[in-house]
Amino acid sequence: AQSVTQLGSHVSVSEGALVLLRCNYSSSVPPYLFWYVQYPNQGLQLLLKYTSAATLVKGINGFEAEFKKSETSFHLTKPSAHMSDAAEYFCAVSGLTKTSYDKVIFGPGTSLSVIP
Amino acid sequence: GAVVSQHPSRVICKSGTSVKIECRSLDFQATTMFWYRQFPKQSLMLMATSNEGSKATYEQGVEKDKFLINHASLTLSTLTVTSAHPEDSSFYICSARGQGRGTEAFFGQGTRLTVV
Repeated sequence: AQSVTQLGSHVSVSEGALVLLRCNYSSSVPPYLFWYVQYPNQGLQLLLKYTSAATLVKGINGFEAEFKKSETSFHLTKPSAHMSDAAEYFCAVSGLTKTSYDKVIFGPGTSLSVIP
Repeated sequence: GAVVSQHPSRVICKSGTSVKIECRSLDFQATTMFWYRQFPKQSLMLMATSNEGSKATYEQGVEKDKFLINHASLTLSTLTVTSAHPEDSSFYICSARGQGRGTEAFFGQGTRLTVV
């Protein structure tokens, strides 16, 4: 079975500061990992994904994440927070059978606040 | 990225009535669609997985007679909330994946259901 944990349900950073959102996963097969962002009353937008290629993945809006197998982690970072980054962030895992039938399992989410 | 259109974005219905939510993949063939439910300030809970032409697979604890899912074509899946009650009020989100498109799932914008 696969699962995702996100340490910290709420993170606050100052504008311009480093953003670090933590994600750890559990998977019995090589995982595919994703970070999604959700703004209020909207669907999810993919920030980036890891699919067994480069372990350092660059995404949209200046975000990046590093896959560390030894730590079973896929933390999301951004060097400098912007006010528009305030949103809910979800880490997700899939990859049970590497077909399109894979479930995407979401972590509990981290709410990011950016302080002016 | 590919586009998934979910309709309606917001619906209010009376207790005891049924509500249908549509999820369409606009520019790709969605072999698999997923339906999620999201409570305020919480993560996405997978309700069911539907494969085109097959019966949906429901997650444990989800009432299949309550939440009817139909995936009749490669571009359309519907979720019908039957005999809705106030506790069914929630944010429902669909996502779609297609074979040959990697493992990324594309999400609709969600439907806010309010049962009064």
